[in-house]
Amino acid sequence: QSALTQPPSASGTPGQRVTISCSGSSSNIGGNTVNWYQQLPGTAPKLLIYSSNQRPSGIPDRFSGSKSGTSASLAISGLQSEDEADYYCAAWDDSLNAWVFGGGTKLTVL
Amino acid sequence: VQLVESGGGLVQPGGSLRLSCAASGFPFSSFWMTWVRQAPGKGLEWVANIRQEGSEKYYVDSVKGRVTISRDNAKNSLYLQINSLRAEDTAVYYCAREWHRSTADYAFDIWGQGTMVTVS
Repeated sequence: QSALTQPPSASGTPGQRVTISCSGSSSNIGGNTVNWYQQLPGTAPKLLIYSSNQRPSGIPDRFSGSKSGTSASLAISGLQSEDEADYYCAAWDDSLNAWVFGGGTKLTVL
Repeated sequence: VQLVESGGGLVQPGGSLRLSCAASGFPFSSFWMTWVRQAPGKGLEWVANIRQEGSEKYYVDSVKGRVTISRDNAKNSLYLQINSLRAEDTAVYYCAREWHRSTADYAFDIWGQGTMVTVS
């Protein structure tokens, strides 16, 4: 049981917009920023969104993040086949003194 | 900027292993560092992190007492000592750099390629 809750799967067709949710609590998302990581098959995770809504250099602006209260979401617009990957949200938890991850969402591009 | 893990392998239950992570291309001693693991077919699980000078360390509850994180800033290296290995420790272990932008605003911005630990 992950401290952050994500849907196990999501899907969309090329060009569509998809969103992935991440639900937490006041001790993690509620008090700290949220990060999103993309893990392509067989590779290490990569930082996709930091500070809840910022993109590192090189990440296309098709990817965006938002946070409200104890929930966050990742939106991917103009879906492309290369976006097919696992996506994880993460935040520091002040009560656990630990990083917590969501269980991951497998995105399928139909 | 690069992180390269090593030290994984096949270990019998109850055994021990020391993982290493060699950092290059950035001022290693200026950053918190972390270990994250991923069991086969499963999601990411944070394991432990350590402050720049090593004075502060945190662990996930499931490894407390069996795992020790350490670093050698002179060698630009991060370590993870795992004792009393169990089948559930089988995973790819990644080291990652923690980027602390400000209070309550942190992220893992650089990841290594991972090293596989199999307990069997």
